[in-house]
Amino acid sequence: QVQLQESGPGLVKPSQTLSLTCSVSGDSVNSANYYWSWIRQPAGKGLEWIGRIYTSGRTNYNPSLKSRVTISLDTSKNQFSLQLNSVTATDTAVYYCAGGQTGSGCYSLWGQGTLVTVSS
Amino acid sequence: QAVVTQEPSLTVSPGGTVTLTCGSSTGTVTSGHYPYWFQQKPGQAPRTLIYDTSNKHSWTPARFSGSLLGGKAALTLSGAQPEDEAEYYCLLAYSGVQVFGGGTKLTVL
Repeated sequence: QVQLQESGPGLVKPSQTLSLTCSVSGDSVNSANYYWSWIRQPAGKGLEWIGRIYTSGRTNYNPSLKSRVTISLDTSKNQFSLQLNSVTATDTAVYYCAGGQTGSGCYSLWGQGTLVTVSS
Repeated sequence: QAVVTQEPSLTVSPGGTVTLTCGSSTGTVTSGHYPYWFQQKPGQAPRTLIYDTSNKHSWTPARFSGSLLGGKAALTLSGAQPEDEAEYYCLLAYSGVQVFGGGTKLTVL
C-alpha cells in the first residue's frame, strides 16, 4: 500500500526558507494521474490548502501563498517537496503531505504531519 | 479567493442523524467543485470520507453519505456513533485551486 512520510527541519528562522519533503513508498510519484499536495494546520486552527503538483509537473497554488511557494517532484528519490520562502511566525503549523489519483480521491493518502516552528 | 463556509459546531445524539453543509461565497456548490469531506480527530491527520460529492473510500463507514443539498455540499451521518465525534472539513475546487471550509466540530452527546 502507498504511504507518505514528511521530513524536514522542525525549526526555521524568520525570513528564511521552509523546506519539506514527502517520501512516497509503495508506488512511484511518476505514476499516472496522481496529485501530490501540501496542507498545513496552525495549532488549534483549521486546515489550509497550500498547493499541489500533478504527475505531469503542472502546479496549482493557494493565491495567498503563491508568491512564496514552490512544489516540485523528485522522481529519482520518489518524493515531492515544498519550499516556502520568507517565512514569519504565522507560517508556524503542522504541515501535511497528501496524495491520490484523479477519479479515486486526490486526498486518499496522508502523511502523519510534521510540526514546523518559525522562531529566532 | 472564494470563502467556504461550514457550521462551526453541531451536536447529534447517539443513533441520531445530522447533516453538515458546505457553502461557497461564489454561489451554488455543484459537482464541478468536486466536494471532499474529511474527518479529523485530535492529534491525528485528517482522513478523507467522501470525494467528488458522494464517492466513498473503502474505509468510509456506511453511515456517512455525501450529496448536494440546497445549493451546498452536504455530509449526512445516519446513526451517529460515539467515535464519530470529531472535526469535519469540506474542500471545494475552483479551477484547480482548492479551498477548505473552516470546519465543523461535531459532538455526539
